[in-house]
Amino acid sequence: DIQMTQSPSTLSASVGDRVTITCRASQGIRTRLAWHQQKPGKAPKLLIYLASSLESGVPSRFSGSGSGTEFTLTISSLQPDDFATYYCQQYSSFSTFGQGTKLEIK
Amino acid sequence: QLQLKESGPGLVRPSETLSLTCTVSGESLSSSTYYWGWVRQPPGKGLEWIGAIYYTGRTFYNPSLLSRVTISEDTSRNQFSLTLTSVTAADTAVYYCARGGDTMIVVIWGQGTLVSVSS
Repeated sequence: DIQMTQSPSTLSASVGDRVTITCRASQGIRTRLAWHQQKPGKAPKLLIYLASSLESGVPSRFSGSGSGTEFTLTISSLQPDDFATYYCQQYSSFSTFGQGTKLEIK
Repeated sequence: QLQLKESGPGLVRPSETLSLTCTVSGESLSSSTYYWGWVRQPPGKGLEWIGAIYYTGRTFYNPSLLSRVTISEDTSRNQFSLTLTSVTAADTAVYYCARGGDTMIVVIWGQGTLVSVSS
């Protein structure tokens, strides 16, 4: 099984900040990595696929990078709507999610 | 516009079988070339991939659930289903159905349905 480890588990930041979340895979997954955003009581929403491709309709302040075992999600300038929990998902071998990163207001 | 909606009992007794159905609207299962699957989320916890069915009918399951889970499809009703046997309290979760791509990425999520396991 491929394990996905996100860091940090919780991140406190302010509107306008630039933030980065990291996701590490226990073995290489090429670029078969997605990022999802989930708000309380709601279903997750796909933000990024193939590590760095932005899903249609997602603001350009979101970006992803990485390949192999290390990946990052960056939000260039936090907006109030961005405070949520973020999950990475590998889909190279079956599928596995990271444990999530809660982005909260400082 | 593609929509997925889960349905099924909200309460299941321990040791019994959990059965959920996902109704697909806006797209035909019989003509798709995608993965269709299930993800769950225990209260206050993270996401767990349960499994998926490819348009060929081939199924793929989380190894930790392999002995208890079955995913099937009914293209005549444009639905796919999840069956999980011998449930315990640890199976209490919001269950999401989902559409993938030509890989097991989750592209579209259903709204989710809470299933509680309790006597």
